Amino acid sequence: GIQVEQSPPDLILQEGANSTLRCNFSDSVNNLQWFHQNPWGQLINLFYIPSGTKQNGRLSATTVATERYSLLYISSSQTTDSGVYFCAPKLDSGSRLTFGEGTQLTVNP
Amino acid sequence: KAGVTQTPRYLIKTRGQQVTLSCSPISGHRSVSWYQQTPGQGLQFLFEYFSETQRNKGNFPGRFSGRQFSNSRSEMNVSTLELGDSALYLCASSFAGPYEQYFGPGTRLTVT
Repeated sequence: GIQVEQSPPDLILQEGANSTLRCNFSDSVNNLQWFHQNPWGQLINLFYIPSGTKQNGRLSATTVATERYSLLYISSSQTTDSGVYFCAPKLDSGSRLTFGEGTQLTVNP
Repeated sequence: KAGVTQTPRYLIKTRGQQVTLSCSPISGHRSVSWYQQTPGQGLQFLFEYFSETQRNKGNFPGRFSGRQFSNSRSEMNVSTLELGDSALYLCASSFAGPYEQYFGPGTRLTVT
């Protein structure tokens, strides 16, 4: 099956700093989503981005499908950005998402 | 529009028992997928249901099963519970095809 690697595994920032999270995947995909898992475990949708670039406030994402990677940018980080960020590409026509191991982000005040 | 709902939110069971978890998708969504999250294995796909049919299945033993009803609500069942089944079980719904999936809050199962 598809392999998904996220880096870095852990990231500690001061409030106001910027960061880039990376997701590499081993096969061509027809969908890719980024999620933020809150402390209660719910996965919050950040981006649905099979290709190209999207922005939503302080967050933006870029997927280069031909080179099999996606990036999540967080600017002017806030303590509420803390948590685990997952990328999840989808390979086939069904709905199976394959998750990476996530990046644990800690933003200190 | 209401989000994906899952019941119960928390559950404690004893080894050897069985358990049924429920998931109600977003209105209009016909695809429901289930995932298991554990500290050791991360987030793993269990199965997907679409129009009451299992369309895709992950690498889990037959003790894990599911079904979908005509209103797209889905249940998953785990029989003969083992300690290793302790996990957060997440359900996601979407329209058919390569569309964005939305997750429910999860059911946290503890097996003692």
